[in-house]
Amino acid sequence: AQKITQTQPGMFVQEKEAVTLDCTYDTSDPSYGLFWYKQPSSGEMIFLIYQGSYDQQNATEGRYSLNFQKARKSANLVISASQLGDSAMYFCAMRDIGSGANSKLTFGKGITLSVRP
Amino acid sequence: NAGVMQNPRHLVRRRGQEARLRCSPMKGHSHVYWYRQLPEEGLKFMVYLQKENIIDESGMPKERFSAEFPKEGPSILRIQQVVRGDSAAYFCASSPQGGTPSGTDTQYFGPGTRLTVL
Repeated sequence: AQKITQTQPGMFVQEKEAVTLDCTYDTSDPSYGLFWYKQPSSGEMIFLIYQGSYDQQNATEGRYSLNFQKARKSANLVISASQLGDSAMYFCAMRDIGSGANSKLTFGKGITLSVRP
Repeated sequence: NAGVMQNPRHLVRRRGQEARLRCSPMKGHSHVYWYRQLPEEGLKFMVYLQKENIIDESGMPKERFSAEFPKEGPSILRIQQVVRGDSAAYFCASSPQGGTPSGTDTQYFGPGTRLTVL
C-alpha cells in the first residue's frame, strides 16, 4: 500500500525567502508519480508540480521546484521568493503508475504554510 | 477552457435526507475521481469513473454511497440517509482521456462541495 507522510508542524517563512516543505513516501511499486497541490483558505485544490519516478531531473515550475531523492523516498517542495499569496495548506500526493496511468491519488495530511510580511 | 465544475458549492442536509453532488469534468476529460476531505485531513479517494463505468470504487463506503458518470451529463455522487459523519468537503477531479506512460496525466480538481449535515 502507498503512504505519504507530511509531519512538519505549521511552517512560517518571511516574504521573499525560500522555504522547503517535506514529503516522504512509501511504495513497493517501481513506477509512480508524485504531485504537490496547494489549498488556499478558499478551499480549492490547485496543482503545482509533478515528478515521475523515472525522471532524471528534478521538476521545476516557476518558483516551485521538487527536490526528489529517490533512494531516501523523499519529494520535498521548494518555494523560492515566497509571496503573501503562498500562505496555504500544501499537500503531497502519489499515484501508482503501474496500476494504470489514471489510478487514484494518495494524499498526505498536508502542511500549513504562513508567509510573514 | 472551463475548469472542473462542481455544484452546489455548499449543501446543508438534515440527518436522513439525501445529498446529490454534481461534477462536470474539464472539456475533453473522460476520467472522473471523487475524493472526500474531513476537517484537518488530506483528501481520501472514494471512486474513479469513466463514462458509464465504475473503474475503482475501493474507497466508497459499502452503504448509502453511490456514484455514476452517465454518457450525457455530469457525474453524480449520491449519499442516501446522510449522517453527521458525512459532513465533509467532497472534491471531484478529472483527467484527460487515456493515460501516458510517464504518468503525467494530472488530475485537476474542482472547487469542492462542502456538505453539512445537521
